[in-house]
Amino acid sequence: KAGVTQTPRYLIKTRGQQVTLSCSPISGHRSVSWYQQTPGQGLQFLFEYFSETQRNKGNFPGRFSGRQFSNSRSEMNVSTLELGDSALYLCASSWDRGVGETQYFGPGTRLLVL
Amino acid sequence: AQKITQTQPGMFVQEKEAVTLDCTYDTSDQSYGLFWYKQPSSGEMIFLIYQGSYDEQNATEGRYSLNFQKARKSANLVISASQLGDSAMYFCAMRGLSGNTPLVFGKGTRLSVIA
Repeated sequence: KAGVTQTPRYLIKTRGQQVTLSCSPISGHRSVSWYQQTPGQGLQFLFEYFSETQRNKGNFPGRFSGRQFSNSRSEMNVSTLELGDSALYLCASSWDRGVGETQYFGPGTRLLVL
Repeated sequence: AQKITQTQPGMFVQEKEAVTLDCTYDTSDQSYGLFWYKQPSSGEMIFLIYQGSYDEQNATEGRYSLNFQKARKSANLVISASQLGDSAMYFCAMRGLSGNTPLVFGKGTRLSVIA
């Protein structure tokens, strides 16, 4: 079974631009979560989608948004990019949302904002 | 709210030796799950092992085992017979109560295996 895929893998943008990242979950998985990883803040939760509905949202400004499609694929968008948005963005999928549901991660998208 | 503490920023271990990576957690939930992930320099987070709060046996997966001490709120990862390929960042994470809370990660421990 194919793993979680994320596109693009690398991205360079300039301040003020916007960016859209894509995540395709493992086949059959209905839950998709997004995380931001930076050397200073570590891994921070962005949002979680299940059956096309946002179920959880982390403490990020409104410039960060996401959505999930009927085939469970998800996109996240960051508008008006800032230098501090440079990070590794990780997507994870799981079959369900229970306590014991293992989240499987994709390879990540490395975003550099200049 | 859940909190994960990993007190070892970096560790060294000799090849073929065993190593323990520490993880303590804090939660008021009765039901929760504990996870360990490995992150090589490539960036991908690789799931290693899971322990449920009601599991009486410590979880094991190949060379990985989880030393779960509920009363002490600790969930240490033990890697036996370390290999050079085990060099990576290791993250402890937890999720509480019916999955309505997101997965919370610790700061991680960088493990370096030396020949």
